[in-house]
Amino acid sequence: LAKTTQPISMDSYEGQEVNITCSHNNIATNDYITWYQQFPSQGPRFIIQGYKTKVTNEVASLFIPADRKSSTLSLPRVSLSDTAVYYCLVGDNFGNEKLTFGTGTRLTIIP
Amino acid sequence: EAGVAQSPRYKIIEKRQSVAFWCNPISGHATLYWYQQILGQGPKLLIQFQNNGVVDDSQLPKDRFSAERLKGVDSTLKIQPAKLEDSAVYLCASSLVAFPARGYTFGSGTRLTVV
Repeated sequence: LAKTTQPISMDSYEGQEVNITCSHNNIATNDYITWYQQFPSQGPRFIIQGYKTKVTNEVASLFIPADRKSSTLSLPRVSLSDTAVYYCLVGDNFGNEKLTFGTGTRLTIIP
Repeated sequence: EAGVAQSPRYKIIEKRQSVAFWCNPISGHATLYWYQQILGQGPKLLIQFQNNGVVDDSQLPKDRFSAERLKGVDSTLKIQPAKLEDSAVYLCASSLVAFPARGYTFGSGTRLTVV
């Protein structure tokens, strides 16, 4: 079962780019990396998913190095509304691994 | 597209009482999950359904927790009897397939307080 490690918390100022790194040293060949965002009193919300190199969508970018033992979620020009907990998950597309949420990274945006 | 609906939103019960939570997934989503999220922790998977069959319930405390998904649509999660440590948010999520490229869609959860 691929385990993930993330920083417990991070602070950043509005307008800056924020990078949150996740370590997953024992990621398997079939595993994808998925990031979720969770606001208080809400369920987690899917942000982005990737397998290798770089993936970009309308809200974030995901950078995955060649060895895939880590990944970095990049949030461009954050605002106060980006204050949330961010979770990194690793699992395969065949449902063979339980998608396990860690404790996540609590990101606080400072005005 | 309507989201995942859960009810009730909040519930307070005394220990040893019973409680049930209801989830209505997104229409057409075959896979349904129940998660337990204790304050300050990430969600923990309790049970996964594929249509009306159980795929994984290895982390469900079966002596007190039960879940069903009749007709492969709505699902209920029951706790009987409740313990203080069951205080948590119970989240329901659904997806078209078991590990979707666009992730799961979560409901807002039911916050349970056991006193």
